[in-house]
Amino acid sequence: DVKVTQSSRYLVKRTGEKVFLECVQDMDHENMFWYRQDPGLGLRLIYFSYDVKMKEKGDIPEGYSVSREKKERFSLILESASTNQTSMYLCASSFGAPGLAGGGYEQFFGPGTRLTVL
Amino acid sequence: GDSVTQMEGPVTLSEEAFLTINCTYTATGYPSLFWYVQYPGEGLQLLLKATKADDKGSNKGFEATYRKETTSFHLEKGSVQVSDSAVYFCALPINTGNQFYFGTGTSLTVIP
Repeated sequence: DVKVTQSSRYLVKRTGEKVFLECVQDMDHENMFWYRQDPGLGLRLIYFSYDVKMKEKGDIPEGYSVSREKKERFSLILESASTNQTSMYLCASSFGAPGLAGGGYEQFFGPGTRLTVL
Repeated sequence: GDSVTQMEGPVTLSEEAFLTINCTYTATGYPSLFWYVQYPGEGLQLLLKATKADDKGSNKGFEATYRKETTSFHLEKGSVQVSDSAVYFCALPINTGNQFYFGTGTSLTVIP
């Protein structure tokens, strides 16, 4: 059974703290993604990684950074948490296919981490 | 630019009612189209997809037909169950297919 796991389901942090969200996939996928999900806004891409040590900014990278030192693991870092980063964070992974226009590889999602910043 | 527009919710239906959730897209060419579902407390999972015009994707009693004439990919189910209560997302691959445009999601609640 394919699996994407996230380190925590619920997390409560204080403003200014450094926060690490971890994601691990066991499908040998090239691509990994971090999204945040907010009511009325749907999913917004924060960062995307297509290979180890490679990353691309998504739609809302401000206030976040990422790390991918191993293929199976993708970490999201909030350098100094703020209350407006209170949200549901979803990690996903997929096979990579650069140049495959219009195809679309299924993304597999973890269960999410609900982060509250006080 | 490419985008998807999805019917806003929330939608509340009685069990066995007919469901339609509208999705329209703007895209260059003819990309694949997807529906994802998010059950309470879970991440998203693929519900169905269609890879070319006039294709019909189907799964778990849900169907969607890729209609290029109306640039639509509406999700339908003839008889919903309480267990179908979830949030549904329409999705369109971006460029090389590694990323997606996701709709804003439509929340469905089915009451007994």
